[in-house]
Amino acid sequence: AQSVTQLGSHVSVSEGALVLLRCNYSSSVPPYLFWYVQYPNQGLQLLLKYTSAATLVKGINGFEAEFKKSETSFHLTKPSAHMSDAAEYFCAVSEAGAGSYQLTFGKGTKLSVIP
Amino acid sequence: KAGVTQTPRYLIKTRGQQVTLSCSPISGHRSVSWYQQTPGQGLQFLFEYFSETQRNKGNFPGRFSGRQFSNSRSEMNVSTLELGDSALYLCASSVDGSTSYNEQFFGPGTRLTVL
Repeated sequence: AQSVTQLGSHVSVSEGALVLLRCNYSSSVPPYLFWYVQYPNQGLQLLLKYTSAATLVKGINGFEAEFKKSETSFHLTKPSAHMSDAAEYFCAVSEAGAGSYQLTFGKGTKLSVIP
Repeated sequence: KAGVTQTPRYLIKTRGQQVTLSCSPISGHRSVSWYQQTPGQGLQFLFEYFSETQRNKGNFPGRFSGRQFSNSRSEMNVSTLELGDSALYLCASSVDGSTSYNEQFFGPGTRLTVL
């Protein structure tokens, strides 16, 4: 089974500072990776996805992630944090089940943005 | 296009009772997946339905069941509720769930509290 590890359950950054959320995966086959964001009392919203087309993936709200096979990593970054970025972020890998694909999630990283 | 809708948004039940949650996918989406989200275990895959058939199932006891109707709407049922079943239950829909990069769209979730 594939697994996803997110380093740091809580990350705090100042408004305007770089955001870096870490994600490492384990997979024996080429992975398909996703970053989702969850705001309080809401469901998950897709930020971006890696599907092997390009190693640097750009998503919504100024976020991007770089796939590094040698490091088995898919870290999420944003050059300048905004107050509205405060939320919980989940990294996920698509895993084959019996006839379909399911998402395996990391434990999540809660991002706080300090004004 | 309307997003994934889940009803009810909040539920309070007592131990031993049973509960049914409902999910309406995005129009045209035929695959519906269910996930349980708890602070301790994070996001865990419950099961996935396509064309009224369960194709994939996570590692949950038989008290958790589901079904899908011909219009792709899905319900999940939890019988003999336990305190540990308190969680946010998320429904996600995708076009057909058969490709590894198939994007899943999440609903806002149903918050179940078991007393």
